[in-house]
Formats: sequence, structure tokens, C-alpha cells
Amino acid sequence: AQTVTQSQPEMSVQEAETVTLSCTYDTSESDYYLFWYKQPPSRQMILVIRQEAYKQQNATENRFSVNFQKAAKSFSLKISDSQLGDAAMYFCAYNDYKLSFGAGTTVTVRA
Amino acid sequence: DTEVTQTPKHLVMGMTNKKSLKCEQHMGHRAMYWYKQKAKKPPELMFVYSYEKLSINESVPSRFSPECPNSSLLNLHLHALQPEDSALYLCASSPVGRGRETQYFGPGTRLLVL
Repeated sequence: AQTVTQSQPEMSVQEAETVTLSCTYDTSESDYYLFWYKQPPSRQMILVIRQEAYKQQNATENRFSVNFQKAAKSFSLKISDSQLGDAAMYFCAYNDYKLSFGAGTTVTVRA
Repeated sequence: DTEVTQTPKHLVMGMTNKKSLKCEQHMGHRAMYWYKQKAKKPPELMFVYSYEKLSINESVPSRFSPECPNSSLLNLHLHALQPEDSALYLCASSPVGRGRETQYFGPGTRLLVL
């Protein structure tokens, strides 16, 4: 089974500031996908961003961007200009055969 | 449209009851998934259907019985559940179910077993 590690159980960020969530994974595969999902207290799991391992360019979606370091097996998420609506649990996930999730990071946004 | 719908939103049942959870997607996906999620934990995979056939059963107890009537619908039949089965049950879908795909999740059914 693939291992996904999120070492930060909780992160706090001031509104309008930037926060970075870390994620590392373990795999012997060369072709896989990586994801960040967001789950607000209302519970729906929403896709934030996706990275395909064969693409060297880091994915970006509006205020969300990733730093994908394939050799280091690292996949961090940067949230810029944080908003109150960004408060949620964020899960890093790896998918080659099936989806493996990290333990999650709870992000709180201070007004 | 990336919508996956689930009904009911909430369900309370006794240990002797029989109930069903329903999931529907209209994205033309051929793979559907059931996950169980405890509070503040990541989802745990239960079942995967690909092209309406069960392709993965993660050693789930037989009191959970999945059914895929067609590629748009996924049911989870519940019988003789235990209090520890109380959780959020998430449904997801993806294009074909071969991995290296994006899974799209529904809002979940919050289940309480008394």
C-alpha cells in the first residue's frame, strides 16, 4: 500500500496571508496522480488541485498552487490570500491503483 | 457537471433495522466507490464498482451489501449494523476506475446506529 504523510495536524493562518501544507508520499511508481482535497465542516469533499506525476510544471488553481518535488516525493499546497471560506480539513491523496489519503491537516483562518 | 448526489443526508437506525443508502452521478462515469469516514479521519475505501461489476471489496463485513443497478446508481444496503458503524458514508465516482483518475465525491450520508 502507498503511504501518504501529512505531518501537520493543524495550521492557523491570518486572513489574507499565505499558508503552506506539507505532504510526502512513498511510491516506487513513476506514473501517478496527486491530489489535494478540501473538506469543510459541511463535510463535502471537494477537489482543490491535481498534479500528474509526468508533468514537471506545478499545478495552479487560482489562489491554490502546489510545489511538486518528484525526486523528494513531496507535494505541498500553498494557499495564498487566505479567506475565511478556506477553513477546512485538507487531505493530500495519491492515486495509481486506488486513492490513498494522508491523515489530514485542519486549517483555521483568523479574521 | 461534476455532481454526485447522496440520499438521505442523515440516517438513524437501530441494530435490527434494514436501510439503504443511495448514490447517483450524471457525469457518465463508469466507476463508483463507497467510503467510510470517521470524524477527523481520512476516508477508508469500502467497495469499488467498475462497469457495474464489483472490482474491490476491502474486506468489509457482510452486514454492508453494495449494489450497482446501472452505471449511474450505487446503493449500500445496511443490515444488523453495530454502533461502531456510525460514520459518514461517502460515495465517489471516476471515469473508468483504473486508477490515475480524479474521484469526485458526494456530500455523504451521516449514519448513526443506536
